[in-house]
Amino acid sequence: DAKTTQPPSMDCAEGRAANLPCNHSTISGNEYVYWYRQIHSQGPQYIIHGLKNNETNEMASLIITEDRKSSTLILPHATLRDTAVYYCIVRSPMNTGFQKLVFGTGTRLLVSP
Amino acid sequence: EAQVTQNPRYLITVTGKKLTVTCSQNMNHEYMSWYRQDPGLGLRQIYYSMNVEVTDKGDVPEGYKVSRKEKRNFPLILESPSPNQTSLYFCASKGTGRETQYFGPGTRLLVL
Repeated sequence: DAKTTQPPSMDCAEGRAANLPCNHSTISGNEYVYWYRQIHSQGPQYIIHGLKNNETNEMASLIITEDRKSSTLILPHATLRDTAVYYCIVRSPMNTGFQKLVFGTGTRLLVSP
Repeated sequence: EAQVTQNPRYLITVTGKKLTVTCSQNMNHEYMSWYRQDPGLGLRQIYYSMNVEVTDKGDVPEGYKVSRKEKRNFPLILESPSPNQTSLYFCASKGTGRETQYFGPGTRLLVL
């Protein structure tokens, strides 16, 4: 699975958009980009994933560059409850048989009033 | 409500005293896994199971055992706990053909 690089921390004002970058320059053609978050020692929570097209769901949007070497997770209107560590994970799709998620150090997002 | 439950949530024990952390999911998921989380090391996979009676080692299996006798349960067994197993433990499950892994709330273990 490809390695990812994320900034260790970011700040965001409540109500503003939070844009969390992830670099995955060694990503291969069949690898997806996944985002999970972990709110203070709770279990990690799935946010979104994508292959090459931009994706949006009720939690966030995922923008993947055309060359797929980087991506951005966007929380459109951050709230205090979005304060968490956000993990960008790149891995092969689940039908290759091995299901492990490899969590790096992530980005600690602090949303302030 | 779809969920993964773990028990106990907090446990203090002494070296060598066998313990079991239970994990149960109500989503009929085939795949289940155990992770441990330590400061500076992130989450590391201990064991995983692709289905009933099918288990395999993850990255850090030493000192742990698992079993998968029923689809919904995947207990983690520490036969002889040691202080280096003090950690935060998470159970996770995932359905075949689905991308999302669901994590339990965590079990914080302290081995004295």
